[in-house]
Amino acid sequence: QKEVEQNSGPLSVPEGAIASLNCTYSDRVSQSFFWYRQYSGKSPELIMSIYSNGDKEDGRFTAQLNKASQYVSLLIRDSQPSDSATYLCAVGGNNQGGKLIFGQGTELSVKP
Amino acid sequence: GAGVSQTPSNKVTEKGKYVELRCDPISGHTALYWYRQSLGQGPEFLIYFQGTGAADDSGLPNDRFFAVRPEGSVSTLKIQRTERGDSAVYLCASSPNPVTGELFFGEGSRLTVL
Repeated sequence: QKEVEQNSGPLSVPEGAIASLNCTYSDRVSQSFFWYRQYSGKSPELIMSIYSNGDKEDGRFTAQLNKASQYVSLLIRDSQPSDSATYLCAVGGNNQGGKLIFGQGTELSVKP
Repeated sequence: GAGVSQTPSNKVTEKGKYVELRCDPISGHTALYWYRQSLGQGPEFLIYFQGTGAADDSGLPNDRFFAVRPEGSVSTLKIQRTERGDSAVYLCASSPNPVTGELFFGEGSRLTVL
């Protein structure tokens, strides 16, 4: 079992729709959770971080965390073609000093 | 500079050769990380520095891989006796606060071993 699992996609949604990206993790002591966006040929960039159960909203992005289910998700409202990228889920453990374990990424395509 | 700088951006070498990849982190960031990313995969952790010392090198795949950060700023990843399986994009990241785990990545060094 991989430590961090994501559906590789591709996930295709029409412009203006909600895109839902999911991630599960295996280590119950994980304390920090991140979503990174990676455009083709570019490096990952941080878009959301979440540390406690519940929802965290930032503009069109909402991260959701459920530690009991070991599940974290990212919702993108009013999806735009510029959101087309690979979304990487990353998980950090307690006292890991920033060592993050990444999933394989979900490719999102937003069609005009 | 404003971001994490990595050189070279591309490196093509022959099997068995020695390679060095350099990373210059964001000024003031004490934590520095090396990751490796293969096509279609997420970044794979290699090593993490806090200051000059390697705080966690559990991701280095074998003893052909070594990294240093002698003055607590610039870091060099060294790969000896390169193999075709070492071909990947090597990503460096830095962080202002390692406890939060928020990483800022450079553009990567693409290594191709022929």
